[in-house]
Amino acid sequence: GAVVSQHPSRVICKSGTSVKIECRSLDFQATTMFWYRQFPKQSLMLMATSNEGSKATYEQGVEKDKFLINHASLTLSTLTVTSAHPEDSSFYICSARDRISHEVGLFFGSGTQLSVL
Amino acid sequence: DAKTTQPPSMDCAEGRAANLPCNHSTISGNEYVYWYRQIHSQGPQYIIHGLKNNETNEMASLIITEDRKSSTLILPHATLRDTAVYYCIVRVPQGGKLIFGQGTELSVKP
Repeated sequence: GAVVSQHPSRVICKSGTSVKIECRSLDFQATTMFWYRQFPKQSLMLMATSNEGSKATYEQGVEKDKFLINHASLTLSTLTVTSAHPEDSSFYICSARDRISHEVGLFFGSGTQLSVL
Repeated sequence: DAKTTQPPSMDCAEGRAANLPCNHSTISGNEYVYWYRQIHSQGPQYIIHGLKNNETNEMASLIITEDRKSSTLILPHATLRDTAVYYCIVRVPQGGKLIFGQGTELSVKP
C-alpha cells in the first residue's frame, strides 16, 4: 500500500521556538495533503488542506500565521508551528491523497507528538 | 457534510466477529462511506470504503444498507491487535477531505 512518511515522530521544544514537521508520500504523488491535530482522548481535527503549488486552505479557527504550511512538491508538505506555546502541544498527523487513484482514500503518516515546555 | 453516529465503545471476544455499526442518515448520493482505524498513538489506517454495494477485502467487510443510511464494518475474526478506535466517515464531495467523528473504541478481549 501507499506509504506516507512523517518526521519527526516526537519533538520537544522550548516555548517561543518554531518547529517544522515534514510529510512525504514515498511511492506516489500527492497533489493534496491534509494536516490534522489530535488532543488526548479526542478525535482528529482537520487543520488545513494543502495543495501542491498553491496556498493552503485553513479550517475555521486555525491561525494561518501560526501554522505555516508549504506544499512545494508532489511528494512533500511541511507544517511549521511558529512561536510554539504549551497549548500547541498535541499529536499532529498528515495525510495524502494519491493523485492518480484518489478514490481509494487517504493515507496517513504515523504522527508527530509535539511537546512544548 | 453528512454526519455519522457511532457507539462510543464496544467489546468483542477474541476470535469472534466484530460488527461495528454506523448511522449516516443524511448521506447524499455521491458520498462514499470510509472506514479507518487508529491504534493508540499512531496515524489512522485505511480499512475499506464503499458507495452502494457491499465490499470485502483482506481486512474487513463493509455492509451498506439499501437506503445507504447506515453501514456495518465486520471484522470476521477479531484479534487482540484489532483493538483500536474505528472511524466511520462520509467523504465530503468538495475537496475530498475527511472529517473525523468520535469513532467507536473497540476492545478485543481474550
